[in-house]
Amino acid sequence: EPEVTQTPSHQVTQMGQEVILRCVPISNHLYFYWYRQILGQKVEFLVSFYNNEISEKSEIFDDQFSVERPDGSNFTLKIRSTKLEDSAMYFCASSDPPRAIYEQYFGPGTRLTVT
Amino acid sequence: GENVEQHPSTLSVQEGDSAVIKCTYSDSASNYFPWYKQELGKRPQLIIDIRSNVGEKKDQRIAVTLNKTAKHFSLHITETQPEDSAVYFCAASIRSGYSTLTFGKGTMLLVSP
Repeated sequence: EPEVTQTPSHQVTQMGQEVILRCVPISNHLYFYWYRQILGQKVEFLVSFYNNEISEKSEIFDDQFSVERPDGSNFTLKIRSTKLEDSAMYFCASSDPPRAIYEQYFGPGTRLTVT
Repeated sequence: GENVEQHPSTLSVQEGDSAVIKCTYSDSASNYFPWYKQELGKRPQLIIDIRSNVGEKKDQRIAVTLNKTAKHFSLHITETQPEDSAVYFCAASIRSGYSTLTFGKGTMLLVSP
């Protein structure tokens, strides 16, 4: 069964550094999402992406964040200047209209640790 | 925006008992309600979902009910097994081309043998 994949599984970075988190959505999916989960807390929506542009973003997704689909398979989340509070698990998800327009499938996550 | 409340935060049951987790939502426009199971250190996995034109949906030992008037929905697990132990998240979204999910805070379910 196809799955969303993410790399790296764990990223440690120093405050102020840029990080890029990578995702490969399920191949025939058209909608892509990033969520984050601070340790022990709920999953929070960051951004959705469709047709090479952002569809919706939350207030968490400020100017420090950007997303890109650089080629036909990858979907990336960039944090320009990381802060301590960016430490979290970041999940990529994808969905596949019209067959299953609402169902979102999550990747295994990237644990980002900012020191 | 949408706000989803989930109760209880932890739930301990004996193997074979039933477990019920409840969620309420605030936005009456929401009409898609998935449930995710997250085992420790793993990805959230969709286990069941319900859309607002349906009041109940069942899949083997798992069922979800929806009360649109009261704006609440529940997950029911019967004949619980130790492998059901995980964190369960409810979520809500408005039907659209991209269904942004708003999650509840999660329920840690512990099933003791």
